[in-house]
Amino acid sequence: SQQGEEDPQALSIQEGENATMNCSYKTSINNLQWYRQNSGRGLVHLILIRSNEREKHSGRLRVTLDTSKKSSSLLITASRAADTASYFCATDAKGGSRLTFGEGTQLTVNP
Amino acid sequence: EAGVAQSPRYKIIEKRQSVAFWCNPISGHATLYWYQQILGQGPKLLIQFQNNGVVDDSQLPKDRFSAERLKGVDSTLKIQPAKLEDSAVYLCASSRDQTPWETQYFGPGTRLLVL
Repeated sequence: SQQGEEDPQALSIQEGENATMNCSYKTSINNLQWYRQNSGRGLVHLILIRSNEREKHSGRLRVTLDTSKKSSSLLITASRAADTASYFCATDAKGGSRLTFGEGTQLTVNP
Repeated sequence: EAGVAQSPRYKIIEKRQSVAFWCNPISGHATLYWYQQILGQGPKLLIQFQNNGVVDDSQLPKDRFSAERLKGVDSTLKIQPAKLEDSAVYLCASSRDQTPWETQYFGPGTRLLVL
């Protein structure tokens, strides 16, 4: 079964707005990563946050991690049409060796 | 640098036929992964290689799926015989080493349709 569950499943916003998507997971983790998938560039790594970190930034991306709630959020600020894609969280569990992906959030940014 | 290459990009077969997919990872990447992504779901790891050895194949349906990476570089994934539920995108990825937090670089995928 998938380790992560993203919420919402689908999100539609206007260009320039912020987009927030959430990920919940079940077991203790070492790290959590976010990936983006679109038809043009395939699946691409965006950002990694370690279990001892609470927040991380990369350009227009802000990721938070709350290990007590076993959840993470990805915020994309000032969204662009090119941000239209599916976003997946992926975790590697403590004691595990593999990366487990969630179901994904489909983000549509309307121009 | 060149990315992960996969072929073919699309394949349509009938159930009970066999099919093979090919992957060439990024040069110098020791770890290679095959994932299955069913429509509307996230990728699921099928098998992970470190050089030419298998690290994790616990989620590979071994009665019909096989994979090899004989010289520690490119890899093939085979399905024989295919079932309707094998319709999915098969993604190959590579990384510098096998630690799960190492960034994985994905190829464009092979979209398989089993009729």
